[in-house]
Amino acid sequence: GNSVTQMEGPVTLSEEAFLTINCTYTATGYPSLFWYVQYPGEGLQLLLKATKADDKGSNKGFEATYRKETTSFHLEKGSVQVSDSAVYFCALSDRAGGTSYGKLTFGQGTILTVHP
Amino acid sequence: EAGVTQFPSHSVIEKGQTVTLRCDPISGHDNLYWYRRVMGKEIKFLLHFVKESKQDESGMPNNRFLAERTGGTYSTLKVQPAELEDSGVYFCAISHGNSPLHFGNGTRLTVT
Repeated sequence: GNSVTQMEGPVTLSEEAFLTINCTYTATGYPSLFWYVQYPGEGLQLLLKATKADDKGSNKGFEATYRKETTSFHLEKGSVQVSDSAVYFCALSDRAGGTSYGKLTFGQGTILTVHP
Repeated sequence: EAGVTQFPSHSVIEKGQTVTLRCDPISGHDNLYWYRRVMGKEIKFLLHFVKESKQDESGMPNNRFLAERTGGTYSTLKVQPAELEDSGVYFCAISHGNSPLHFGNGTRLTVT
């Protein structure tokens, strides 16, 4: 079956540091890949997505590239801010781009804390 | 923009009691999903409604869980009787067409 493995946290960084959160996956076919973020007291929000190999998703300074050869979708940001403190979830959908993304397989989440 | 309201935001019940969680999506979204995150682990799919019909309930853990979606609008998830291992955060999500999921804030369930 499908699975997603994220680097274990928590991750603690100083403001303006570089961030990488690793994510690897196992899936049949050609899944779509997502990063969701949960800020304190809020629901999950879609941060970015990529629907095919070599696609790069980006949003709010975050980026992730769909690497089929390494089955990875690592999240990066060049300079984190205190407001980026949240829980980050990597996820996949085994429905190809253009169809429903509804049934997602999630990783266990990575807590990020950014200090001033 | 799509919205999903879940309530209660937090529920504390004793083992053996019944709890009903509710999800109110903004209208016009045929697809409604329930997910659960237990004890800081990964978020897991529970089930999927298309309008009022259950499209996929393969993630429902056992027959103590019952989900309904009246008239294809709001949805409820009942746990009866609740067990300690049911504690966690229950998320509702919606989508329309090919759009990615939009999640509610979740209901934190604590079974003591």
